[in-house]
Amino acid sequence: NAGVTQTPKFQVLKTGQSMTLQCAQDMNHEYMSWYRQDPGMGLRLIHYSVGAGITDQGEVPNGYNVSRSTTEDFPLRLLSAAPSQTSVYFCASSYTQQGTGTPLHFGNGTRLTVT
Amino acid sequence: KNEVEQSPQNLTAQEGEFITINCSYSVGISALHWLQQHPGGGIVSLFMLSSGKKKHGRLIATINIQEKHSSLHITASHPRDSAVYICAVRSDGSGAGSYQLTFGKGTKLSVIP
Repeated sequence: NAGVTQTPKFQVLKTGQSMTLQCAQDMNHEYMSWYRQDPGMGLRLIHYSVGAGITDQGEVPNGYNVSRSTTEDFPLRLLSAAPSQTSVYFCASSYTQQGTGTPLHFGNGTRLTVT
Repeated sequence: KNEVEQSPQNLTAQEGEFITINCSYSVGISALHWLQQHPGGGIVSLFMLSSGKKKHGRLIATINIQEKHSSLHITASHPRDSAVYICAVRSDGSGAGSYQLTFGKGTKLSVIP
């Protein structure tokens, strides 16, 4: 049982390049989400999904795209990287239990630098 | 939008000390999470609670819904407890948006031998 697998661990991009951060989970979680973590700030939600074929924007969605074609995978695409997207990115998943919800399971993070 | 405040921002303790980290939020919630982020960067869920108190080993989490406040306590602290502790809240409501969490900025704990 691998949990949430996030790749790559590190990435350096030049301004204007595009790339995809991969996220996969094997726990059959309906809810998957992407966060960015910047110094001095709490984790901020970029995009999320409550099931295959369903995605929605979070707090900071500009410059990012997502899709959810399967329950297991939730890739995050940077369309045209900018230095402001330098950050640590986390993928997380959980069941979508109504009411209190269930604990989040996090990937190990991707440290992205845009030069 | 819920505002989540944690205190203190930084905390240094001697091994064996009793530690308390606080979290306050501004509007009603359905659940509160305590997370631990290791120095290597990985994040793990410690507790999820909506009322009362939970205990796991040397860690205790409490929540007071009326006061919109939660505390995370560590008894007999150890250097391996050194990490960033993050509070996150899930707001009341229904629909897909209600699964979203609002995170505090974290409390960095260093436990010295």
